[in-house]
Amino acid sequence: DAKTTQPPSMDCAEGRAANLPCNHSTISGNEYVYWYRQIHSQGPQYIIHGLKNNETNEMASLIITEDRKSSTLILPHATLRDTAVYYCIVRSGTYKYIFGTGTRLKVLA
Amino acid sequence: GAVVSQHPSWVICKSGTSVKIECRSLDFQATTMFWYRQFPKQSLMLMATSNEGSKATYEQGVEKDKFLINHASLTLSTLTVTSAHPEDSSFYICSATTGDVNQPQHFGDGTRLSIL
Repeated sequence: DAKTTQPPSMDCAEGRAANLPCNHSTISGNEYVYWYRQIHSQGPQYIIHGLKNNETNEMASLIITEDRKSSTLILPHATLRDTAVYYCIVRSGTYKYIFGTGTRLKVLA
Repeated sequence: GAVVSQHPSWVICKSGTSVKIECRSLDFQATTMFWYRQFPKQSLMLMATSNEGSKATYEQGVEKDKFLINHASLTLSTLTVTSAHPEDSSFYICSATTGDVNQPQHFGDGTRLSIL
């Protein structure tokens, strides 16, 4: 079973920040949190990952709570091209990903 | 960096034929590759884990004789759907990882398989 819970859908106005939450209350101490997105009919695209500290790259920021039971992916200035399904994943086992249902983000013009 | 190429991107074939899908890591060595299946409006479902030079590990409910996986080199894994039938029609996606357990998997762009 997936180890993460996400809201099924969200809307965001173009140009505004999109904040996508993820609950991973059963995460273990050495498990990373990974975020991907999938645009229709394509493979998932890696966005960012983190363990404890907040992370930022050219695509997004990842905020992980101190207890590590939840995290938030932030797209600082959403564009129409950010419309996609976003998956938060905590690795299950040594290498495997178990995908949950993800959040369908719609960026509105 | 970390590019995974999947081929073909789209295939249509007749019921009863076998179809081979290739997954290549273009700029890194992939000790482990994964195969997923995705039905319309659903999430990705892991089918099997493939380690270079050894037999693939299949998830529960996935028929190993139906979905043959070969990972003969550090840059290539293949999935062969044998004696394909219409219910095998789906979107098949591969991913690859270097073997560093904390590094992300990188995904191919998927293969849409339609069996007539």
